[in-house]
Amino acid sequence: KNQVEQSPQSLIILEGKNCTLQCNYTVSPFSNLRWYKQDTGRGPVSLTIMTFSENTKSNGRYTATLDADTKQSSLHITASQLSDSASYICVVSDRGSTLGRLYFGRGTQLTVWP
Amino acid sequence: EADIYQTPRYLVIGTGKKITLECSQTMGHDKMYWYQQDPGMELHLIHYSYGVNSTEKGDLSSESTVSRIRTEHFPLTLESARPSHTSQYLCASSGDGANVLTFGAGSRLTVL
Repeated sequence: KNQVEQSPQSLIILEGKNCTLQCNYTVSPFSNLRWYKQDTGRGPVSLTIMTFSENTKSNGRYTATLDADTKQSSLHITASQLSDSASYICVVSDRGSTLGRLYFGRGTQLTVWP
Repeated sequence: EADIYQTPRYLVIGTGKKITLECSQTMGHDKMYWYQQDPGMELHLIHYSYGVNSTEKGDLSSESTVSRIRTEHFPLTLESARPSHTSQYLCASSGDGANVLTFGAGSRLTVL
């Protein structure tokens, strides 16, 4: 069964600290993996997208890694800010159809305290 | 700033009412989607469209219907709302081969 599992479910860190969020998937065949940030009461916003051949991609203070062999991805946030408080969602796309079906994780709820 | 708009943002209605959630995008995207999201849960696809006059049901069984008469417009209708329909509804669109979604801000529906 194609699944996307994220950990931890929730995380609290102090402003300025770093953190790493995990995503494990069983989706096959694999096309790409995306990380989205969803602020409370808003729609998700794309942070990064990685294909099979990419193992790291950065977007400002966000760095995503991908190990396609172990089917794991991580999102590292450097020097956290209060505005980083949000849910971070891992999404994996397969190649099983023309459009590529999307499999969503339940998200990690990050809270940054001052 | 996303160019996809959803209205209303919040709606509280009584059981049995008919409601339409509006979604419009100005990016000229062919593909549009409706997702349902409950707190702490993953997004579930309820409807999608490849283009004008094309609509398909998603993975999650839904009593809602959609239409795609114009490229930019993809409204979702519930003929008779029930408390089980209480949820957040997210509209999205994509226009590239990688199918990267641009989401609207969402419509939070509460049915009493």
